[in-house]
This record gives sequence, structure tokens and C-alpha cells, in this order.
Amino acid sequence: GAGVSQSPSNKVTEKGKDVELRCDPISGHTALYWYRQSLGQGLEFLIYFQGNSAPDKSGLPSDRFSAERTGGSVSTLTIQRTQQEDSAVYLCASSRLAGPYEQYFGPGTRLTVT
Amino acid sequence: QKEVEQNSGPLSVPEGAIASLNCTYSDRGSQSFFWYRQYSGKSPELIMFIYSNGDKEDGRFTAQLNKASQYVSLLIRDSQPSDSATYLCAVNAGNNRKLIWGLGTSLAVNP
Repeated sequence: GAGVSQSPSNKVTEKGKDVELRCDPISGHTALYWYRQSLGQGLEFLIYFQGNSAPDKSGLPSDRFSAERTGGSVSTLTIQRTQQEDSAVYLCASSRLAGPYEQYFGPGTRLTVT
Repeated sequence: QKEVEQNSGPLSVPEGAIASLNCTYSDRGSQSFFWYRQYSGKSPELIMFIYSNGDKEDGRFTAQLNKASQYVSLLIRDSQPSDSATYLCAVNAGNNRKLIWGLGTSLAVNP
């Protein structure tokens, strides 16, 4: 079946501009996660959605970052007033309702802020 | 703070050897344990998960879990150059679906 999809695959933007990154999870997966991975670094958790529950935003690095999930499916991560330090690969993952909650990743969006 | 630790490597093994990758975790309440492989420039890919003490085998891969020692490992038998990648260990604690991630171990399999 179809895996997690993300768009765009690459995004180059100027410092100060806003960007939107999209994630479409695996059909039927109720949980959706956003991560950030800088070059040569580990995965940095950003935000987690589970069904209709309030999202866990504990990993968002600043109030310039926000995310929403519409209809329990597609999610959009928005970064306002981008900074050069926002340059990274943004990864989305989804998991099923039942355990053990293994996560499946999309191909990522490579964001470059110039 | 819940932590997952891995040696960063690089771990270098000859082709055909057994590669052993190790991971320790701090939260005794952890219930599920995952190994992912990440090729350079690609996203993480699930290899296998384990939640019971002991060994779990899947092809050339064996995951080993020791909850008493808070230790999980991944063995790769008959290592191939195509196994060269970074291996990420992740741990899930209880009903929280968030995973705590290690920083990964870089593996190089030399022909």
C-alpha cells in the first residue's frame, strides 16, 4: 500500500519568509509525528498528533513553528519568519492505533533557508 | 529525563562477519524497542521491533532484549556492504506513542 508522503521534497526559501510543509500519513494510521534532522544529527521530535486529542507540542523549538492536522489525516507544518538555523530535513511519520506503535517515515522535506 | 544511548561509531566490520549494535535506555517502564536503518540522505526505515525479553530473529537480523539490564542489541549476520548505514535505536514507554531516539551507530561493512 501507499506509504507516508511528504511535499515538497525540497524547498529553498529566503530568510524571513513563511513555509508550509505537508504530510499525508498511511491510510488508517491515527498518529502522526513531525521530526527535524539537521545534517549529521539525530532525530529531533517536534510535534505529535493522536486522533482527536490535543497535540503534544513539547518539541516545537519556538512559536514560529506550528502544525495542524485536518480531518485526522493530512498535516501541515508551518514555519513563520524562517531563519537559517531552520535549515534541515523535516520528517513526518505515522503509526497505527494499536501497539507496539512502530512509526513509518515519509521521504522528508529538505528545507534550505538562504 | 528519558534517554537512549548508542555508540556513535563508526563500527567497521568485514563483509560476511557479524555486526553487533548496542543500545541502552534509562526508563525501566519502557515496553517496546525498535531498530531502524537510515541510509545517507534517506529517511529511517523500520528493521524490526521487540517487546519480550530474549531474541527475535528476522532473516539476517536478530534483536536481543534484556529488560533487567536495560539493554537492547541488533545482530546482523553475514554483513553485506549494502548494510552500511546508520542504525537508530528507539524506545517506547508505556501507552505514550512517542518514541525516544538514540543518536545512531554508523556501520561500515568493508568488501
